[in-house]
Amino acid sequence: SFVLTQTPSVSVVPGQTATITCGGNDIGSHSVHWYQQKPGQAPILVVYDDTDRPSGIPERFSGSNYGNTATLTISGVEAGDEADYFCHVWDNGSDQGVFGGGTKVTVL
Amino acid sequence: QITLKESGPALVKPTQTLTLTCTFSGFSLNTSGVGVGWIRQPPGKALEWLALIYWDDDKRYSPSLKSRLTVTKDTSKNQVVLTMTNMDPVDTATYHCAYNPPTGYNYDYWGQGTLVTVSS
Repeated sequence: SFVLTQTPSVSVVPGQTATITCGGNDIGSHSVHWYQQKPGQAPILVVYDDTDRPSGIPERFSGSNYGNTATLTISGVEAGDEADYFCHVWDNGSDQGVFGGGTKVTVL
Repeated sequence: QITLKESGPALVKPTQTLTLTCTFSGFSLNTSGVGVGWIRQPPGKALEWLALIYWDDDKRYSPSLKSRLTVTKDTSKNQVVLTMTNMDPVDTATYHCAYNPPTGYNYDYWGQGTLVTVSS
């Protein structure tokens, strides 16, 4: 089945840029979605279909997807961005949803 | 405003069957393309996709759990039910249901989740 690989943790200074990657075989041919999850809370969709933002999500959150890597970029990181981030695709080959292992973003 | 809420037992014994209900509002499962998915998360671990049911009763299951899962809908009650048989301690997790829009496979809205512990 399709496997999505995320770096377990990323640390970033406030105001700087956090880059979160999601690797998968030819993931560029899939639509990738990203969720933010804070402790004790349900996930929130922050980017869908590689690059689109739901209403209410700040422009600081952006996504890209090419080749074997999808990327979620958080520009001008704020303390409130500290959370776990999960990537997600639908794998047509196995006809199932697949989530990455998650990346914990720590704001120093 | 779309909301979803999961309900069910907090504790089940090994080998028992788990039944969870997702009660939603703000959308209809009679609407073309709409779906409701189930996702779980063991404590401190990653999200795991379980199942998806569509407006037309089309269903998808995680291949690794397919033999144990059943998902059904009751559109008159705005509910989706997930059944998982032969529960094991490794199935201890928070179980979420989530709204799948007609336009794609992303989950726009999630329920808060319900923690299910499997223990004798």
